Amino acid sequence: QVRLVDSGGGVVQPGGSLRLSCAASGFIFNTYAMHWVRQAPGKGLEWVAMIWYDGSHTHYIDSVKGRFTISRDNSRNTQYLQMNSLRVEDTAVYYCVRDPPGSGWAFDVWGQGTMVTVSS
Amino acid sequence: QSVLTQPPSASGTPGQRVTISCSGSSSNIGSRPVNWYQQVPGMAPKLLMHNHNQRPSGVPDRFSGSKSGTSASLAISGLQSEDEADYYCATWDDSLDALVFGGGTRLTVL
Repeated sequence: QVRLVDSGGGVVQPGGSLRLSCAASGFIFNTYAMHWVRQAPGKGLEWVAMIWYDGSHTHYIDSVKGRFTISRDNSRNTQYLQMNSLRVEDTAVYYCVRDPPGSGWAFDVWGQGTMVTVSS
Repeated sequence: QSVLTQPPSASGTPGQRVTISCSGSSSNIGSRPVNWYQQVPGMAPKLLMHNHNQRPSGVPDRFSGSKSGTSASLAISGLQSEDEADYYCATWDDSLDALVFGGGTRLTVL
């Protein structure tokens, strides 16, 4: 079945780095744009970044530009989020989401989420 | 402060109809499709409505969506206890070149 499995979260000190992974299965990965969405504890949803189906274009929320890098390996059906210079305010559950072509950014499949805690 | 404005809370009794609003601007709702998500606490969000008023397979027809100008709304008729959740609107914002979510509305079924 269609599935996204997020991994790579953990506890890191401010200024540290983490790489999140999202393994996709059950669909033709290289035809879908992919995104990361996060949710701080007790807060609402916040979009973080997106990457086109072929990896040719990326977009980021202003607060992570220059610190986070979204990428994908279509041969491995996996997308990544490299997070550097982490801040306390980056603490959140990070969800990998699928964006069907022509859907108008309708995220129809979500990963289970992976928790990132930035704390000293 | 979210770019899309939703009421923080809403409530209703079983069987009632409730509406959740989402207010934006010409750079987002006014020119882009609106999507709605339902999130039960502790779970990942679920797509509830796309392109203003299109229900994904499996979403009951008790849920409906609409858009007018720079505002959108989600209506739930025949309210059920299982509808108790957080609801978020979302769309792309051309000025920010970013996807934006509303702040979320917590629906309580009394």
